[in-house]
Amino acid sequence: QKEVEQNSGPLSVPEGAIASLNCTYSDRVSQSFFWYRQYSGKSPELIMSIYSNGDKEDGRFTAQLNKASQYVSLLIRDSQPSDSATYLCAVDKSGTYKYIFGTGTRLKVLA
Amino acid sequence: SAVISQKPSRDICQRGTSLTIQCQVDSQVTMMFWYRQQPGQSLTLIATANQGSEATYESGFVIDKFPISRPNLTFSTLTVSNMSPEDSSIYLCSVETSGYNEQFFGPGTRLTVL
Repeated sequence: QKEVEQNSGPLSVPEGAIASLNCTYSDRVSQSFFWYRQYSGKSPELIMSIYSNGDKEDGRFTAQLNKASQYVSLLIRDSQPSDSATYLCAVDKSGTYKYIFGTGTRLKVLA
Repeated sequence: SAVISQKPSRDICQRGTSLTIQCQVDSQVTMMFWYRQQPGQSLTLIATANQGSEATYESGFVIDKFPISRPNLTFSTLTVSNMSPEDSSIYLCSVETSGYNEQFFGPGTRLTVL
């Protein structure tokens, strides 16, 4: 089992819809969880961090964390073509400041 | 957040040579990391660059192949030694500046080894 798992996609959604991206992790003691957006040819850009169970909202983005199920998700509301990118889930391994990245989900927002 | 720069942005190198990549931050940071992103893959942590002491390497990465320097709190270098085509990757430095264990990435160095 991979330490951080994501569906590679592509996930295609129409413009204006909600995109739902999912991530599961194996280390039960992980405390910090991050979503990055990576455009082709660019470096990852931090979108959201989440540390506690529940939802965290920032603009059109909502991160959801369920530590009991070892599951973290990212919702993108009112998806735009500019949201088309690869979304990387990262987990802080046992509070060490060391990130384990998932393989990323490629999102396509269709105009 | 901090402004992070890397040099070079890209390079094409011959097998058996070495390349040193620089990472410069516009403010002092405690935590600095080096990652590798192989073509079509996700990011893998190579090492934590420690100021004033030897870097801490992850499993599968060794100092002889990836020597790292961290002379101060704003600068680090990663050397890729005795390169082979399998070393063709994007190399990224990241820093933790927010106090919330959030890492921010530099623009990356795209390395091609022939």
